Parts: sequence; structure tokens; C-alpha cells
Amino acid sequence: SAVISQKPSRDICQRGTSLTIQCQVDSQVTMMFWYRQQPGQSLTLIATANQGSEATYESGFVIDKFPISRPNLTFSTLTVSNLSPEDSSIYLCSARVTGTQYFGPGTRLLVL
Amino acid sequence: DAKTTQPPSMDCAEGRAANLPCNHSTISGNEYVYWYRQIHSQGPQYIIHGLKNNETNEMASLIITEDRKSSTLILPHATLRDTAVYYCIVTSGAGSYQLTFGKGTKLSVIP
Repeated sequence: SAVISQKPSRDICQRGTSLTIQCQVDSQVTMMFWYRQQPGQSLTLIATANQGSEATYESGFVIDKFPISRPNLTFSTLTVSNLSPEDSSIYLCSARVTGTQYFGPGTRLLVL
Repeated sequence: DAKTTQPPSMDCAEGRAANLPCNHSTISGNEYVYWYRQIHSQGPQYIIHGLKNNETNEMASLIITEDRKSSTLILPHATLRDTAVYYCIVTSGAGSYQLTFGKGTKLSVIP
């Protein structure tokens, strides 16, 4: 298994600003993922982040809005840019370890 | 990846077995069945997965029908802490390794 931590656990931001979410895995992993969970909804994949390559974004998500960094095999960041109230969601980091995806606790974002 | 169908909600008495069904009639031969759960306001928790054989771990058992078109997650002795949304996901485990989350089953364990 894997232990995944995220920072911050929650934040309240003003519209037009940006929030960067950090994700740390307790082991080296090739594949990391970022998901969004809007209020009352299920999880939606934003992008896949492999170390050493550009992140791959799902339909409806663009790099300018959700830039991702993957500097090493245990760490990734997701930035949510130019925030609007519609970005209020839980953002979750995930990592694939020995064939199974494990999830972090999530970052709860409220945009005012 | 194959689509899954789960009942939107179920109740289970505390201490009884919780049997959560999942239909995946379009599953292909190389696709696995994964189960996760999400307790309110937490990240999804991996429970179990299988290909065609029944599987058991310390959390649950997974029963997959012989034709692999459906499966059942069994929590042998449900507790109040098992109240959560349970997701059944079918994925090939290859390529992009994506997990596509549906709406899941909201399991309520009742005292």
C-alpha cells in the first residue's frame, strides 16, 4: 500500500487568485493522478502525471487552468489558477503502487 | 473500460453481512474489478480487487460470477464505521490505468 499526504487540507481563497496543492507519497511511484470531486458528485480525473514527462489532461481540463508539476518520484503539485466559485471542490491526489491506486485525504477548496 | 451499474443506496443492520452488488456485463477478459469506498469527506479507500477468482482480505470478500458479468462485495460484519459510498470500478489495469468513478452505492449501517 501507500501513504499519501496532501497540503493544505483545506483553504478558502478569493476569486482570481491561485492555490497550489502539494501531494507527497511515502514511496517512489511512476504514476500519479489528480482528481476533482465537486459537491455531491463523484470523482473526475483531471490529469495523469508521470515523472519525467508532461502531464496528460482529460477532456475539459487544460494546463493553463490546472498546471501540474512532477519533480521527482514521490511528489507532485496541482495549481488551480484564476479561481472562481465554480472551482470550489475537493481535490484529490492518487498514486499507483503495485497495480493499485491509493488516494490522499483530499484538499477542500472554497472560493469566495 | 466497461461500465458498471450499482444500486444507489442500501441499508444494513450493524453486525450483519453487507452484500453490495455490481453489474459489469460488458467486462472484457483483461479487465479487473476494483472496489473502493469513500467515507464522508475523506479520500477513497482501496478495499479489494479481482480478475476472475474470488478474493478475500482483512476488509472484505469479493465474489465474481463465473461469466464475470457481475460481482458482489461482502463486508462480513458491518459496523457503523462502514457507512460510506462504495464504488465498483472495472479497469484493464493497462495503458492509462485510469479509474472511472460512477455514482456508487451509499451504504448506511444501522444500529
